[in-house]
Amino acid sequence: EVQLVESGGGLVEPGGSLRLSCAASGFTFSDYWMHWVRQVPGKGLVWVSRIKSDGSNTIYADSVKGRFTISRDNAKNTLYLQMNSLTAEDTAVYYCARVGEISGDHVKYDYWGQGTLVTVSS
Amino acid sequence: QTVVTQEPSLTVSPGGTVTLTCASSAGAVTTDYYSNWFQQKPGQAPRTLIYSTTNKHSWTPARFSGSLLGGKAALTLSGVRPEDEADYYCLFYYGGTWVFGGGTKLTVL
Repeated sequence: EVQLVESGGGLVEPGGSLRLSCAASGFTFSDYWMHWVRQVPGKGLVWVSRIKSDGSNTIYADSVKGRFTISRDNAKNTLYLQMNSLTAEDTAVYYCARVGEISGDHVKYDYWGQGTLVTVSS
Repeated sequence: QTVVTQEPSLTVSPGGTVTLTCASSAGAVTTDYYSNWFQQKPGQAPRTLIYSTTNKHSWTPARFSGSLLGGKAALTLSGVRPEDEADYYCLFYYGGTWVFGGGTKLTVL
């Protein structure tokens, strides 16, 4: 059974940092590209970042570029999101999602984690 | 910044048919956008229903279908059930980055 379990959320002060983790199980983690998506409570989904299966390439939404870093440890089957210089606008539930391949294009969203809440407040 | 637009809300009667759409500010939606559709119920994580415009996952009920319609991506629910009441989001691929639509709140009444 495929499972994605996020952790690391919590309360952090503006300007602070936090590292989220997404522990994967039930599949060969190193075969899949992984994404982070966030959602302000009561609002819509927002795409945040993507990392290739071997960690060789990453891409970010403009709103987090330069502040957030996505990474992975394939030996530990874990995806990370390092979040720095946090502001109130980063308050959200953060989800990790697995994205599979179709004919060479990594565009097939399938499994999601349950999310972890990050609250940025003084 | 590309904007993806969905109907904010729709209402459908049980047993009826409803079509949700997603438009792109960049122009007509094509299969190159690899549209994904998600269902989200209150307090739950999103669940992927459709990938690459028309493809269903093994868990996607047969009454859900994806298509392109009039330059937009579309999600059609046929024979709607009360448990289909949820928020629905589309997601488009823009050659590296992805953009979600604002979501459609579907009410079954």
